[in-house]
Amino acid sequence: AQSVSQHNHHVILSEAASLELGCNYSYGGTVNLFWYVQYPGQHLQLLLKYFSGDPLVKGIKGFEAEFIKSKFSFNLRKPSVQWSDTAEYFCAVSFYKLSFGAGTTVTVRA
Amino acid sequence: DAGVIQSPRHEVTEMGQEVTLRCKPISGHDYLFWYRQTMMRGLELLIYFNNNVPIDDSGMPEDRFSAKMPNASFSTLKIQPSEPRDSAVYFCASRWGQGVTEAFFGQGTRLTVV
Repeated sequence: AQSVSQHNHHVILSEAASLELGCNYSYGGTVNLFWYVQYPGQHLQLLLKYFSGDPLVKGIKGFEAEFIKSKFSFNLRKPSVQWSDTAEYFCAVSFYKLSFGAGTTVTVRA
Repeated sequence: DAGVIQSPRHEVTEMGQEVTLRCKPISGHDYLFWYRQTMMRGLELLIYFNNNVPIDDSGMPEDRFSAKMPNASFSTLKIQPSEPRDSAVYFCASRWGQGVTEAFFGQGTRLTVV
């Protein structure tokens, strides 16, 4: 069975601070990994995805994530956050079905 | 394409009533997912379809919940009878192919059962 765990429930940052959100997955086969973002009151949107190749993937809005196979991890990073990055962030794993972690709420203080 | 379309956007109903949520996936997508989002339980996968066939409904909480996909362009999630604990935001998402492609989400239906 595939599952996803996210390390942080709520992260509070000041603008310009760096962000790193942890994600670990468990799945025995080839994994496809995603980070989605949900802005307040909106639906989920894709930030970035990893299928194969370079384990460091870049997404929209300056986000990047690193796939470390040996650690079953896919952590999300952003060097300098903005107030507009306030949102909920979800890590997801997919082969056939698409399963999400519990989500991390990120609050960026202006 | 207009994206994944869900209706209604908001639904308020009384306990015991039947509720039907609707979803139109993106044309050409062959996977459709139904999720429920609550503060307590996060984003839960209820059921997913491939080529209109239900593949995994292990996330459906009770027999009160049922989902159908009569054709490639329409799916419903029905709750009968509804209960206050069913109050949540229900999202539909669609995708083309197996897990190598991203899923696109609808705007969600906010269900309130009073």
